[in-house]
Amino acid sequence: AQKVTQAQTEISVVEKEDVTLDCVYETRDTTYYLFWYKQPPSGELVFLIRRNSFDEQNEISGRYSWNFQKSTSSFNFTITASQVVDSAVYFCALVGGGFKTIFGAGTRLFVKA
Amino acid sequence: NAGVTQTPKFQVLKTGQSMTLQCAQDMNHEYMSWYRQDPGMGLRLIHYSVGAGITDQGEVPNGYNVSRSTTEDFPLRLLSAAPSQTSVYFCASSYSPLLETQYFGPGTRLLVL
Repeated sequence: AQKVTQAQTEISVVEKEDVTLDCVYETRDTTYYLFWYKQPPSGELVFLIRRNSFDEQNEISGRYSWNFQKSTSSFNFTITASQVVDSAVYFCALVGGGFKTIFGAGTRLFVKA
Repeated sequence: NAGVTQTPKFQVLKTGQSMTLQCAQDMNHEYMSWYRQDPGMGLRLIHYSVGAGITDQGEVPNGYNVSRSTTEDFPLRLLSAAPSQTSVYFCASSYSPLLETQYFGPGTRLLVL
């Protein structure tokens, strides 16, 4: 069975702090994809990143970075120098060979000015 | 392109009523899916389709029916609404859920009294 765990329910930081959102996954598939989505207060889902199971390179995109470690089944997301506009719910998701997407419960991030 | 559209945006039903949530996409995507989002539980897959005429169950299919007669449309039917089906429903589509992100509709907020 596939599972995605986002143990942090809510995180509150002050603007300009760095923050890391944790994601741990379980799957028996050897080929799978991991995603992060952002859901701002307006409610839409915004795609942030996709990573396949064969590519463990970390990635940086502006203030965002992702750390994928197969050895610990983790795909963590860091926001550097957080801003108020980063306040949102962030979801980690897993897609395996069966085309079913499994989402984590989400982490609500509050960034205070 | 309109992307993924959902109607209605908001609906109130009485227990036992039936209704259909509409979802359409104009991107010629083969893969379409329905999710429900409940507080603290992330998005859970209800049903999905890998092409016209092909549907399959997700994590929480009970109480819902789907069909896929065309590539563009993927309606979700509630046969006999229950208060437990109060939720926000998202439809999504993609060329392939493995090869690219899913594109999400704006959501339908459903309240069952």
